[in-house]
Amino acid sequence: KQEVTQIPAALSVPEGENLVLNCSFTDSAIYNLQWFRQDPGKGLTSLLLIQSSQREQTSGRLNASLDKSSGRSTLYIAASQPGDSATYLCAVIRTSGSARQLTFGSGTQLTVLP
Amino acid sequence: GAVVSQHPSWVICKSGTSVKIECRSLDFQATTMFWYRQFPKQSLMLMATSNEGSKATYEQGVEKDKFLINHASLTLSTLTVTSAHPEDSSFYICSVAPTADNEQFFGPGTRLTVL
Repeated sequence: KQEVTQIPAALSVPEGENLVLNCSFTDSAIYNLQWFRQDPGKGLTSLLLIQSSQREQTSGRLNASLDKSSGRSTLYIAASQPGDSATYLCAVIRTSGSARQLTFGSGTQLTVLP
Repeated sequence: GAVVSQHPSWVICKSGTSVKIECRSLDFQATTMFWYRQFPKQSLMLMATSNEGSKATYEQGVEKDKFLINHASLTLSTLTVTSAHPEDSSFYICSVAPTADNEQFFGPGTRLTVL
């Protein structure tokens, strides 16, 4: 059974710092990996999706890497801003029959202090 | 990405009553819809996968007679929590996909509180 772990569970940084969020998974037979942002009491916003054949994806100040063999992914946020404060979830995507199923980590709650 | 809505955004009900939550795909036809549950400070757990016009597939440990899912059209799926109890209080989120093997797009969630 796939298990997804995110470390740290919570992180507080001053504005402007670069930071790294970690995600690890136990079964390397994944289809894709996806990073989401969740604001309090809200749904999920997709940030980056990395295909299993890729090693990284970039979008603006965000860069996500994937190392399937070691079962790890990182989300790098450059020049953090207070608006980046949210919970960040990673999810590994596997095939199950004809469906793509997501297994989520428990998230990292990020607070960027002004 | 797709636009997904959920209604209601929050609901408070008494123990023993049933609550229906709607998930709508507003700008494309969703063959497959997923229902997740999220307890406070925990991650999303997949409850069931529903395909339009057929019975939903429930994850292990999810009672299909308690969580009734209807996916009668390509734009609407409903989750009914029957005889709700306080332990059913949670954040329920749906996601939609054009087909089962496409990227999922998530709704804004419904906060259920059972008194």
